[in-house]
Parts: sequence; C-alpha cells; structure tokens
Amino acid sequence: SQQGEEDPQALSIQEGENATMNCSYKTSINNLQWYRQNSGRGLVHLILIRSNEREKHSGRLRVTLDTSKKSSSLLITASRAADTASYFCATAPRSNFGNEKLTFGTGTRLTIIP
Amino acid sequence: EAGVVQSPRYKIIEKKQPVAFWCNPISGHNTLYWYLQNLGQGPELLIRYENEEAVDDSQLPKDRFSAERLKGVDSTLKIQPAELGDSAVYLCASSLDSARGRSEQFFGPGTRLTVL
Repeated sequence: SQQGEEDPQALSIQEGENATMNCSYKTSINNLQWYRQNSGRGLVHLILIRSNEREKHSGRLRVTLDTSKKSSSLLITASRAADTASYFCATAPRSNFGNEKLTFGTGTRLTIIP
Repeated sequence: EAGVVQSPRYKIIEKKQPVAFWCNPISGHNTLYWYLQNLGQGPELLIRYENEEAVDDSQLPKDRFSAERLKGVDSTLKIQPAELGDSAVYLCASSLDSARGRSEQFFGPGTRLTVL
C-alpha cells in the first residue's frame, strides 16, 4: 500500500523555472525522504528531513515539512533538462525500535522543457 | 565504490514458469530490501533483511514468492510459478544500518519482468 501521495501527478515546466512538488501522508513519521528516478533506472536518494525539522536545503533542492498537516514539499530551483525524472516521497514511520521501513508515494513525473 | 548490482536487467517468461532475480548490495550494507514497482507507481516493499534475517516479509506473497540471503550478503528473490500479474520491475536496495536510523537507501537498476 502507498502511504504518501504526491501532487501533481505530472508537471511540465520550462528550463530555468522552479518546480514544486507536494507530498501528503497519513501516519506519524520519524523522517521523510525524497527520491528521484530516471526512466528505466533505480531510485536515487535526494534528501532526508526529520520530523523535528521544518526546512532543509541541498544545492538547488529545498524541502519543507509540516507535521501538523502531514505534508511535505520539494522545490527544485533553476530547473535543468537533467532534472526530468519521477520524484517520490517516502516516509519512515515513528518507531521505538529504530528500524525504519520506508513507504513510498505514487510519484510526480517532472518534465523540463529545454 | 560499486553500487547495488542486480541481474538480469530484463526477463521475459511464460506464465507458470519459475523465475529468479539476484542482488548484490553495496559492500558493508547490513540491510537489504526487495521492492516491487508497478508502472506509474512507487516501490512497494516485499521483504527486508537485517544481515541474513528476514525482519519484515509481511508483504511477500508466500504462496509463490520466496527469498533468501544466506550469508548476509547477496540475495535471491524467486517466483514460482509466475502469473501475468507479476509483470513489474523488481528493485533491490541496501542501506548501511536501518536499525540505527541510517535509512538512506541505495537502489539497483531493477529487473523488468514480463510474464506472457
């Protein structure tokens, strides 16, 4: 079963513009992660944000987390053609055992138009 | 450093035939995962290993699917017999130590299975 749901399902923007993707989830989390998947490839980890963090940056990526709304957003600034991919959020549930089972969302398909 | 290695990359079989997938995780990674990914969907966990122990196989259809990680390194996932609905991409991932919160996962390229 999918825990998270990304919005929009698909997004097309011009190169150089910013892309924003949203993720909503259902249960309490320990952390939330974003992954990228290029066509025909495996997933690549982009960034992890913990439940006690509200914002995190990595290069052109900015992630926000609102645990009260059970939502997160991923912003890619100054998009490039190479950013064309599917983006997934994944949540690690709050657990006392430290073992983190990730549950992935349905993904946003991002297309950057040169 | 080599990434997660999976083979084969593609497999086409007829229904009711058996099939096996192989995964070699990143050296030193204790945790190994098998995921199933249907077209247009996110990965769904089938089984998770901590070293050689299967700690979460609740989503593995045990009537036809089996997995092993005998020496706590590489792993195989088997389907016997395969059904049409098993057509999907099977992803293997590994992480350093999920039990200590190091949950960033590294994925292999996947095996695309087509059942005819």
